[in-house]
Order: sequence, then structure tokens, then C-alpha cells
Amino acid sequence: EDQVTQSPEALRLQEGESSSLNCSYTVSGLRGLFWYRQDPGKGPEFLFTLYSAGEEKEKERLKATLTKKESFLHITAPKPEDSATYLCAVRRNSGGSNYKLTFGKGTLLTVNP
Amino acid sequence: DTGVSQNPRHKITKRGQNVTFRCDPISEHNRLYWYRQTLGQGPEFLTYFQNEAQLEKSRLLSDRFSAERPKGSFSTLEIQRTEQGDSAMYLCASSLLLDTDTQYFGPGTRLTVL
Repeated sequence: EDQVTQSPEALRLQEGESSSLNCSYTVSGLRGLFWYRQDPGKGPEFLFTLYSAGEEKEKERLKATLTKKESFLHITAPKPEDSATYLCAVRRNSGGSNYKLTFGKGTLLTVNP
Repeated sequence: DTGVSQNPRHKITKRGQNVTFRCDPISEHNRLYWYRQTLGQGPEFLTYFQNEAQLEKSRLLSDRFSAERPKGSFSTLEIQRTEQGDSAMYLCASSLLLDTDTQYFGPGTRLTVL
């Protein structure tokens, strides 16, 4: 059974205070690890896909990294508009049920001005 | 707007009633997925279509749930004899078979069963 654990559950930052969100995963053969952003009452918005250990991707103030057991979402100098729930998900590459995404519970990020 | 669309956005129903939700995927996306999300949880997979074929159903999808995707375009998710435990956000996503597996989500349908 694929598993995704995100920490912390909630994170409160001051504007400009950089930090990282963690996503630990267990999957029998990783096809991809996905980061999404979700605003209240809305659907998840795609941010990044990472495929192999050592890979990094950046978008504005966000940078995602991947190891064989976990992924980090680094937020540099966050702004209040970065406040959202950040979801991590994995997709396996074989063995049945390899179309679905398995999500963690998310990290609720609040950035205060 | 060429994103995934879902209707209705909100649905309030009484226990025991049937409800149907619609999802219109991104044009030319041949893969379509349904997920369910409850408060404080991540989305959970329900079912998956490739074109009009339903290729996988989660154990979460009881006999009261049925999904269709006629002609490989839009999809419907029906819940019969709704229960209070069905209250959740129902999310639809689509992806392109030849793409790098990215699933794009719609805004969701919020179901409240009274």
C-alpha cells in the first residue's frame, strides 16, 4: 500500500520567513512525485512533478527537491498570497493501480504580513 | 477557460436521495479521474477512465456509486440513496495519455447530505 506523510500539519510564517515542508513516501516503484497547492473550497492546482532522486524544480518562491524517501518544498521569502494547503502525491510505475495519485493530508501554510 | 469544469459546484440533498455530478475534462484529455476529499484529508482516488472505458474502481466506491463516460468526453458520477457519510468534496481530474502524467483538477462539487 502506497503511503504519503506530510509534516508539519500546519505552519505559520511571517512574511519573508523562509521554511520547508516535508513529504515522506513509501511506494513500490516511484513513477512521479507531485506537489499541488489547494486554496479553500477549490480544487488542487498543479505545481511540480519530480521523477528521480536529486531532481529539483523551481517556480517563483517555491523549490521542490526529491530524495529516495522524501521530498521537500522550500518556500523562500513567502508572501501572504502563498497561504494555502500544499499537497504531496505519488504515483507508482507498475503493479496495478498505477494510474491513481496517492495523496498526503497536506500542510496548511499561513503567511502573516 | 479551458480547464476542467464541474457542475454543480454545490449540492445539498437529504439522506436517501440520488445525486449526479458532471465533469467536463480539458479538451483532448483522454484520461479522467474522480477523487473524494473530506475535511482535513487529501483527495482519495475513486475511479479512472481511459476514453470511455472505466479501467479501475477503488474499494471506496460502493455499489451505490456509479460513474460513466459516454463517448469518452464528459463524465458523470451518480450516488444513489445518499448517506451522511457521503458528504465531501468530489473532485474530477483529467490528463493526456501522452503527457507526463500530470493530472489537472477541476474546482470540485461540494456535497452536503442532511
